Amino acid sequence: GAGVSQSPSNKVTEKGKDVELRCDPISGHTALYWYRQSLGQGLEFLIYFQGNSAPDKSGLPSDRFSAERTGGSVSTLTIQRTQQEDSAVYLCASSLPPGSTSTDTQYFGPGTRLTVL
Amino acid sequence: KQEVTQIPAALSVPEGENLVLNCSFTDSAIYNLQWFRQDPGKGLTSLLLIQSSQREQTSGRLNASLDKSSGRSTLYIAASQPGDSATYLCATQKYGNKLVFGAGTILRVKS
Repeated sequence: GAGVSQSPSNKVTEKGKDVELRCDPISGHTALYWYRQSLGQGLEFLIYFQGNSAPDKSGLPSDRFSAERTGGSVSTLTIQRTQQEDSAVYLCASSLPPGSTSTDTQYFGPGTRLTVL
Repeated sequence: KQEVTQIPAALSVPEGENLVLNCSFTDSAIYNLQWFRQDPGKGLTSLLLIQSSQREQTSGRLNASLDKSSGRSTLYIAASQPGDSATYLCATQKYGNKLVFGAGTILRVKS
């Protein structure tokens, strides 16, 4: 089926505004990850959802960041009161449950490029 | 805390050359190691995944090796082509957990 999709592909916002980024994982993938890729920081983990388990939020940089996953499928990453340092590409990935197949490959979406002015 | 380092940071080679990209990691208690390719403005494409019990994986002109005890992996690209130009990322993963990425190697293959 289709790969991981993300929307919007680009988002420009003003400092202090809230933004929502959306991720549609591959159908049947119970694991969903958010990562952030920014200049000088590389790719860093933000949050991980696995089935109905409590999400691993250990990578969220501040309480302005939150994410939810509705119905075990679509996920939304919300950034409140955006700051210029939030400018980055936000990548979503999904995978099958760990150990369910011979591979635990994460499949990445194309990302959302966020620019905070 | 796992740290992943990739060397070199950038590499420019003529077409047809064989090349090796290096990845090292500090915590050997990994479940797998993955190599990804990223083209400018695009997401990541998985190239090879090596389980912790494996020593290498091959796909076409690509071969990835893993020496878990020494915390090293290499990605070998044979007969490089201009279409191989991209950023190559190495990432380690613990069981059912996040990926920890290196900073990447920017590869340019000149025609």
